[in-house]
This record gives sequence, C-alpha cells and structure tokens, in this order.
Amino acid sequence: SVLTQPPSVSAAPGQAVTISCSGNTSNIGNHHVSWHRQLPGTAPKLLIYDNNKRPSGVPDRFSGSRSGTSAILGITGLQTGDEADYFCAAWDSSLSAGVFGTGTKVTVL
Amino acid sequence: EVQLVQSGTEVKKPGDSLKISCKASGYTFTDYWIGWVRQMPGKDLEWMGVIWPIDSDTKYSPSFQGQVTISVDKSISTAYLQWRSLKASDTAVYYCARHVGGVGAASNWFDPWGQGTLVTVSS
Repeated sequence: SVLTQPPSVSAAPGQAVTISCSGNTSNIGNHHVSWHRQLPGTAPKLLIYDNNKRPSGVPDRFSGSRSGTSAILGITGLQTGDEADYFCAAWDSSLSAGVFGTGTKVTVL
Repeated sequence: EVQLVQSGTEVKKPGDSLKISCKASGYTFTDYWIGWVRQMPGKDLEWMGVIWPIDSDTKYSPSFQGQVTISVDKSISTAYLQWRSLKASDTAVYYCARHVGGVGAASNWFDPWGQGTLVTVSS
C-alpha cells in the first residue's frame, strides 16, 4: 500500500483515538482523502470524504483533517461498535490510480 | 436507495476462467464510474480499476493491468470483473463500488460498496 497507517490503536470506551494516514505529494498532497470503516466480516463503508466531510448518517463523533501529505481520522466517544478496520484512500497521480492505506485496527479496551 | 449487489461465492481451479458481476440500482448507472477493489485474506484493500459505463473507458491500476478485465452492460446496469486464467494468488474477496467524482480529480471516493464476492482458487 502506498499510504501508511498505524497497524492498531486502542482506547477505553468513551475515550478518543486518532488514526494517521501518511502519503506524498502524488496522492494526499494534491488529492482529497476519504476514510472507510470495515466492520468484521462486512464490506467497507464510507465514513469521511473530501478530507473532512461526513456522509448523511455518520455521527459527528467521526472527524477528518488533512495537512500537507498526511491525513487524520478522529473518533471521539469510542463505543464497542467502533471496533473495526479503518482505511484511508486517495487518488495517486503518479500511478493514475486510486490507493488505499495499510489499514488500522481499532480496539475498544 | 443506492445499492450494489454482487454475484455469489465462487470456487474455481487454477487455469479456470471467471466473470463476477455487480448490479447497480437506485441511481443513474451511466452518471458514475464504477470500480473494483481486491482484499486478499487478512490483507489491505487494493484499488484495481474503474470503468465509465457510457463508453467503457477503463482505468486500471498498474498492478492489475493485463491481469483482469473490467466491463459493463449498461442496458442492465451491471459491471463485471473477469479473469481468463485464474491463479491461486487470485483468492480474495472482490468488492465493487460506485466511484463518486471524476477519475483523477482532486476529489473522488468510493460510495457505496457492494457486499463482496469471495473467489477461492484451489486445486
């Protein structure tokens, strides 16, 4: 994967976590980032698009930001139902293709 | 409701051919690119390619160029992913997804996703 994420993050219920997504000028540096959540055994689902926009139905506990060649997904008020794999994504102009992050497993302690 | 419904689980032998499908509903099929993503067992998501249903213009990731074929039948709002000769390393779950935003544009994302098709290739 072209975009690098931490393999895992964890926190207690009610706490907050952040997930980083690091790329370069061919992808995150010049293209918006989306975030997708994949609950165990299910298909991914869009969580954030255009760096910081939430689709209808996604609670405001989820937030996104982008700075330079990195992006961050934030989750506040962590719930057991948030245990999942989270992937960032962006277009990569050097590959002329989309790219995904390495994925981060969120564990609620 | 926008929905993508994929064909069912496939079990194939190395060397077999295969075509899996993704039927779209709830939106105008020709208004959006549609793409495919691979997820090998326990692994990350991999962007394979997208297709423009109006003229079948297709963009492949370099990793998948020549390995698979993406096609559409716009008369039935269905996209396809095809292999001519499967290998054991093609074992994975394959997702289709609607591509929102222009290909290569500053802003684009996948939404929604199909439920996934498990392809197992084993002798």
